[in-house]
Amino acid sequence: AQTVTQSQPEMSVQEAETVTLSCTYDTSENNYYLFWYKQPPSRQMILVIRQEAYKQQNATENRFSVNFQKAAKSFSLKISDSQLGDTAMYFCAFMKQNQFYFGTGTSLTVIP
Amino acid sequence: DTEVTQTPKHLVMGMTNKKSLKCEQHMGHRAMYWYKQKAKKPPELMFVYSYEKLSINESVPSRFSPECPNSSLLNLHLHALQPEDSALYLCASSQASGGYQETQYFGPGTRLLVL
Repeated sequence: AQTVTQSQPEMSVQEAETVTLSCTYDTSENNYYLFWYKQPPSRQMILVIRQEAYKQQNATENRFSVNFQKAAKSFSLKISDSQLGDTAMYFCAFMKQNQFYFGTGTSLTVIP
Repeated sequence: DTEVTQTPKHLVMGMTNKKSLKCEQHMGHRAMYWYKQKAKKPPELMFVYSYEKLSINESVPSRFSPECPNSSLLNLHLHALQPEDSALYLCASSQASGGYQETQYFGPGTRLLVL
């Protein structure tokens, strides 16, 4: 079975600063996909960034980047230049054969 | 366009009522999903349809009945629900063709309250 762990239930960051959300996972698979989703308060869950396990290069999407360490089974999300609109629940997810396994989430608050 | 729509946005129902949730996507995706989400918790998978066939049923009580009339539409029929079924019900879809195409796109959800 796949498990995904997000060890930081809540975090806060000052506007314009950088914050890193951690995610570790456990799997015996070699080919899989990892995702970060963002769910603002009372709003839709949206895809932030995704990573293929066989790619060594870390994915980046504008202010969002990941640090993917396959051997350590770690997939952290870095948010640079934090903005008030980044306040949300962030879920890390592992995917294999179109089934998602979500972490418990990290509630991020950006402080003005 | 990565839009998944869900109706209604909010629903209040009694324990003896019958209601349905609707989900629609026009991205040509062939896999559709129902999730249940409690506040501050991750989504819990309920059902998966792949090519209009039910492929995963995560031991969901029979008071929840999914239906996939066509590749764009997914329904969740509700009957004799319990107060603990109150939650946000999320629909998602993906291309179901492997790889990145399995990325799931979520709808805004239906917030259900059972009295």
